[in-house]
Amino acid sequence: DTGVSQDPRHKITKRGQNVTFRCDPISEHNRLYWYRQTLGQGPEFLTYFQNEAQLEKSRLLSDRFSAERPKGSFSTLEIQRTEQGDSAMYLCASSPPPETQYFGPGTRLLVL
Amino acid sequence: GENVEQHPSTLSVQEGDSAVIKCTYSDSASNYFPWYKQELGKRPQLIIDIRSNVGEKKDQRIAVTLNKTAKHFSLHITETQPEDSAVYFCAATGTSYGKLTFGQGTILTVHP
Repeated sequence: DTGVSQDPRHKITKRGQNVTFRCDPISEHNRLYWYRQTLGQGPEFLTYFQNEAQLEKSRLLSDRFSAERPKGSFSTLEIQRTEQGDSAMYLCASSPPPETQYFGPGTRLLVL
Repeated sequence: GENVEQHPSTLSVQEGDSAVIKCTYSDSASNYFPWYKQELGKRPQLIIDIRSNVGEKKDQRIAVTLNKTAKHFSLHITETQPEDSAVYFCAATGTSYGKLTFGQGTILTVHP
C-alpha cells in the first residue's frame, strides 16, 4: 500500500497519560497536515508541515499538543496530559503541491 | 477565517435517482474546492475537486459546479447506487499551502 499510513489505528488511554501518533505520508509528498475529526463533524485543521518546517498551528492545538516532522518524512503528533475532550479521530493527510490532499486511515483516540 | 456551510445534513434517495449536495463558503479568496466521501470507519477519499478558474467538472456519474459570484458549489451524483451511501464532505481553501476548511457533512443513503 503506497498511501498515507497511520499508527496506531486505535488508542485507549487514561486521562492524564501522554500519547503519540505517527503518520507516514506518500513518499514524494512534501506537505503534511494533521486534522481532528469528532463524531458527526468534518475534519478540523490542526497543523501543517512543508518538509520539516511547521508553518501553521491552529488555535485548536493547545500547549499540550506538539507535532514534529524531523526529517521531512514521517510526522508524530503527541498529546500530553490527555483529557476526555481529546477523544476523537486524528487524521493525517499529505499532498504534493498544489493542494490535493490524500488522507490516512486515522488514529481513533479514546480517553477514559 | 474561512467558513463552509453544507446542506442538507441528511439525504435519502432511491437507487437510480440523482442527489445534490450544496455548500457555501465565506472567503472570496478561496480557490480550490474538493469533495470527499467517507464510509463508516474509513478515511476520507477524494472523489472530485474543482478550481476557481473552472465552472463545472464532471467525472462519470459525479459532477461539481462552482458559482464564484454567489460563493457556492455543489456536488451532483446521477444514477445513484447503494454503494454511494456514505458521508460526503465539501471543503474549501484559499491559502497557498492548501489548509482545508470542511463542511459539516451530508449523510447520503441510497435505498435499493
